[in-house]
Amino acid sequence: QKEVEQDPGPLSVPEGAIVSLNCTYSNSAFQYFMWYRQYSRKGPELLMYTYSSGNKEDGRFTAQVDKSSKYISLFIRDSQPSDSATYLCAMINYGGATNKLIFGTGTLLAVQP
Amino acid sequence: NAGVTQTPKFRILKIGQSMTLQCTQDMNHNYMYWYRQDPGMGLKLIYYSVGAGITDKGEVPNGYNVSRSTTEDFPLRLELAAPSQTSVYFCASSYSDPRNTEAFFGQGTRLTVV
Repeated sequence: QKEVEQDPGPLSVPEGAIVSLNCTYSNSAFQYFMWYRQYSRKGPELLMYTYSSGNKEDGRFTAQVDKSSKYISLFIRDSQPSDSATYLCAMINYGGATNKLIFGTGTLLAVQP
Repeated sequence: NAGVTQTPKFRILKIGQSMTLQCTQDMNHNYMYWYRQDPGMGLKLIYYSVGAGITDKGEVPNGYNVSRSTTEDFPLRLELAAPSQTSVYFCASSYSDPRNTEAFFGQGTRLTVV
């Protein structure tokens, strides 16, 4: 079983839609959760970072963590064509066997104008 | 502030050749990583390092080697290149501070093995 599972998509939505991106993980030792955005032919860039269970908002983006279910989500409100990219979840814990940054496979999102 | 610099940006290798992908960072990060990304896929961890002199294997280490003699540099060595190593390689670095987990990525090296 992979440590981190993510639906690869692709996902195509109309402009203005609400987008939901999800990841599950198997190792309960992971404590820090991130979402990276990767535009075509570029390196990934950090979008959001969360630690505790619950929601964290940043503009149109909301990151949600449910540690009891080992499930994290990223919601994008009022999606824009400029949001078209690959979104990768990532997680890490410091110490032990999980002190390395592990990524999901990424979800390719296309927002149609 | 240059961040993470990878060289070369592009390379074509023949089967059986060897090469070193260079990665250097100027942010004094102690964690460094090498990932490969195949078309339409996510990032697979090849090797990582939590500090100078310390390296460890990731998910897909076979056919690669690394060293970390300084904080700044983390080269990735490919021995006996194979077509299966055709990929985009990303180097990344970060602090080990849980309050600042952001990993910074280089622009990638596109490698084709023919």
